[in-house]
Amino acid sequence: AQSVAQPEDQVNVAEGNPLTVKCTYSVSGNPYLFWYVQYPNRGLQFLLKYITGDNLVKGSYGFEAEFNKSQTSFHLKKPSALVSDSALYFCAVRDISGGYQKVTFGTGTKLQVIP
Amino acid sequence: NAGVTQTPKFQVLKTGQSMTLQCAQDMNHEYMSWYRQDPGMGLRLIHYSVGAGITDQGEVPNGYNVSRSTTEDFPLRLLSAAPSQTSVYFCASRLSGSLATSYEQYFGPGTRLTVT
Repeated sequence: AQSVAQPEDQVNVAEGNPLTVKCTYSVSGNPYLFWYVQYPNRGLQFLLKYITGDNLVKGSYGFEAEFNKSQTSFHLKKPSALVSDSALYFCAVRDISGGYQKVTFGTGTKLQVIP
Repeated sequence: NAGVTQTPKFQVLKTGQSMTLQCAQDMNHEYMSWYRQDPGMGLRLIHYSVGAGITDQGEVPNGYNVSRSTTEDFPLRLLSAAPSQTSVYFCASRLSGSLATSYEQYFGPGTRLTVT
C-alpha cells in the first residue's frame, strides 16, 4: 500500500526564518503527492500537489515543496515563516491499492512560528 | 457557493445511542468521503462514494453506515455509539476520475463527537 511518513510531530521556527516540514513516501508507480494545511478548528485546505515535471512545486500562501525521487521525499518549504503559518500540516499520497482510489494522509506535523 | 457543509458542529452522545452526521456539497463533485481524525493518527478513511447510489468501505468502516441518494448529500450514521468513536469527523468531496487534479479534496469544517 502507498504511504507517507511525517517524522516530526512538531516543528518550531522563528518568524522570518525559513521553514521545512518533512515528508517521505512509499509508493509503487508514479507518486501523486499533496500537502494540506489545517488551521485550528477548521477542515483541511489544499496547499499544493506534485504530479510530474518540475521537482519544485509552488502552492498557496508562498509555500513550495521539493520532490526528490532518490530520497523518496516531498518536503514542504517556505523562505520566510509568518506567525499566521502556525497550523497542522499533512502530507498525502494517492493510493490506488486495495481496489479503490483514495488519498492516504500522514499523521501531521504541527508548525509553531514564534514571534 | 458554500463548498462542503457539515452539521452538527458538536455532538455528545451516550453509549448505545445512534445519530446521523450530515454532509452536503454544492460543487457537483462525484466523489465524497468521510474521515475521522484522532491525535497522532492523522486522517483515516471511514467510507467513500464515487457517485449517487455507490458507496464502499474505507480503512475503518465498522460501526458506521453511509448512503448516497443524491450527488449533494452523503450522511454518516453511527448505529450504536461507542466511546472509541469519540473523534473529529470530516467530510470531503472532489471530482472523480484518474487525473491528479481530481485528487484535490475539499473538506468541511468538521463535527466534534464525544461519546460518554
